[in-house]
Amino acid sequence: QKEVEQNSGPLSVPEGAIASLNCTYSDRGSQSFFWYRQYSGKSPELIMFIYSNGDKEDGRFTAQLNKASQYVSLLIRDSQPSDSATYLCAVNRAGGYQKVTFGTGTKLQVIP
Amino acid sequence: NAGVTQTPKFQVLKTGQSMTLQCAQDMNHNSMYWYRQDPGMGLRLIYYSASEGTTDKGEVPNGYNVSRLNKREFSLRLESAAPSQTSVYFCASIVDTSTDTQYFGPGTRLTVL
Repeated sequence: QKEVEQNSGPLSVPEGAIASLNCTYSDRGSQSFFWYRQYSGKSPELIMFIYSNGDKEDGRFTAQLNKASQYVSLLIRDSQPSDSATYLCAVNRAGGYQKVTFGTGTKLQVIP
Repeated sequence: NAGVTQTPKFQVLKTGQSMTLQCAQDMNHNSMYWYRQDPGMGLRLIYYSASEGTTDKGEVPNGYNVSRLNKREFSLRLESAAPSQTSVYFCASIVDTSTDTQYFGPGTRLTVL
């Protein structure tokens, strides 16, 4: 079992719809969770991080964390073509970035 | 990618050649990291440096060496390049562990023939 698993996609959603991206992790000791967006040929860019169970909202983005079920998700409301990218989930087992594991990413396509 | 720079952007090497990838940040960050990204493998940590003068191995350190000579710069050296080291290399820095906000450089695309 991979430490961090994501469906590679592509996930296709129409413009204006809600895109739901999911990530599961295997280490119950994981403490912090991150979502990065990566456009083709570019470097990852941090979108959100979450530490506590529940929802965290930032503009059109909502991160959801459920530690009991070991999953974290990212919702993108009112999806735009500019949201088309690969979304990387990252999980940090301990404080600091020494033990961060990245998923392989989910490719999102927003269809105009 | 503001604040984290990497050179070169592209490089082609022959097997056995050596080279150094340079990374610099002007955000006064303590911690810096080197990752490689391969299709289907995600980002994997090669080495990291929690502070000036310290370095530690990550998940895939074999075949690489690093140097953190000052707070700004963190270099990655391939002593004898192998085709398995063909990858995209990203440098990143983090302002502090309480925020865990990580900034990535633009990357270096390396091909080893």
